[in-house]
Amino acid sequence: DAGVTQSPTHLIKTRGQQVTLRCSPKSGHDTVSWYQQALGQGPQFIFQYYEEEERQRGNFPDRFSGHQFPNYSSELNVNALLLGDSALYLCASSLIGGSDYEQYFGPGTRLTVT
Amino acid sequence: AQSVTQLDSQVPVFEEAPVELRCNYSSSVSVYLFWYVQYPNQGLQLLLKYLSGSTLVKGINGFEAEFNKSQTSFHLRKPSVHISDTAEYFCAVSDHSSSYKLIFGSGTRLLVRP
Repeated sequence: DAGVTQSPTHLIKTRGQQVTLRCSPKSGHDTVSWYQQALGQGPQFIFQYYEEEERQRGNFPDRFSGHQFPNYSSELNVNALLLGDSALYLCASSLIGGSDYEQYFGPGTRLTVT
Repeated sequence: AQSVTQLDSQVPVFEEAPVELRCNYSSSVSVYLFWYVQYPNQGLQLLLKYLSGSTLVKGINGFEAEFNKSQTSFHLRKPSVHISDTAEYFCAVSDHSSSYKLIFGSGTRLLVRP
């Protein structure tokens, strides 16, 4: 049973560019949440996708957008990259209505903006 | 808005000694509480969770935590630590109205010395 997978593992981009990160949820899960973890800090909730729609959103600008596909996988897009967007981006999957309320995290994508 | 405070940024301890990592949350509403561990260059792994019922929760790797509603705390404990427990530990909370949206603390680095 594959867990949550993310790609790529590492990414280096230049200020102003755009980036797309990808996430495949754990088998049987239908919900994907994205978190940003800056160096030395705890993860911060970006948004959550369920049934191909954004269900909840944290305090992030519109430069951050996402998508969920019919197979439940998800993408995180960031436009007009800033140096402050450098962080570890974590994807977590869960099952809406599941009794364990547990989110399973992927290994993350390390984004460096130069 | 929900917030989580982890009072210690770093906790050094000798191998086989007991340890307590402190966590306080700000909320008067019903919440779910979690502790995650993050090893270097990895994602988050769930140690334990409190959803309801007994206030003493046991998790993996010999960790346990106690939910104290009156003090809005959820401290993590282990009676005897190992070198391999060296990692970053995050406390997280979600409230019942926005389940699966986790609010994390800033983390506590547990450093186990021989």
